[in-house]
Amino acid sequence: NAGVMQNPRHLVRRRGQEARLRCSPMKGHSHVYWYRQLPEEGLKFMVYLQKENIIDESGMPKERFSAEFPKEGPSILRIQQVVRGDSAAYFCASSPEGNEQFFGPGTRLTVL
Amino acid sequence: GNSVTQMEGPVTLSEEAFLTINCTYTATGYPSLFWYVQYPGEGLQLLLKATKADDKGSNKGFEATYRKETTSFHLEKGSVQVSDSAVYFCALSDQTGGKLIFGQGTELSVKP
Repeated sequence: NAGVMQNPRHLVRRRGQEARLRCSPMKGHSHVYWYRQLPEEGLKFMVYLQKENIIDESGMPKERFSAEFPKEGPSILRIQQVVRGDSAAYFCASSPEGNEQFFGPGTRLTVL
Repeated sequence: GNSVTQMEGPVTLSEEAFLTINCTYTATGYPSLFWYVQYPGEGLQLLLKATKADDKGSNKGFEATYRKETTSFHLEKGSVQVSDSAVYFCALSDQTGGKLIFGQGTELSVKP
């Protein structure tokens, strides 16, 4: 059983561009979580999704950020009009149900 | 709101030394508690967990006991190895399937 897959692993964008981060959960997992790790900080929750539904988006910035988890395909975290402060590592985790979350290797976004 | 506080790092130890990383939490109710480990350039791996008071989680020589009276979940290992060098995160989840709330992480460096 392959682990949680994230791509790309590294992403460089210029200010004002869009960033799309992809997460493929483990097989059989229908719950996906996105977290952001700013430099020298711990992980902060962003959003929790199940197939086609957003369950908890209390950690998502109100503007420029969106997430989806369609019926088919990976979960996507989309950041529009990126700014330097968006530079961070973005981690996806998946869960079948219950407490245990399995993390992907992360996408490191650099905004120039 | 719920929160997790960890001792600040970096922590530098010699091989075979005893390790303690302190973690305290604030939460309503009865959260589940976790320790995750992050090796350089990788995602988080679950190290151990405890879901109720007085539970002891253990894995790979690491242990932590859920202490409700002191709201603590300190990580311990009797004899560290160079390969234990990593960043350790304490986390809680206040509901089944819900988001994880992380401490800021503690970097451990073990010297030969």
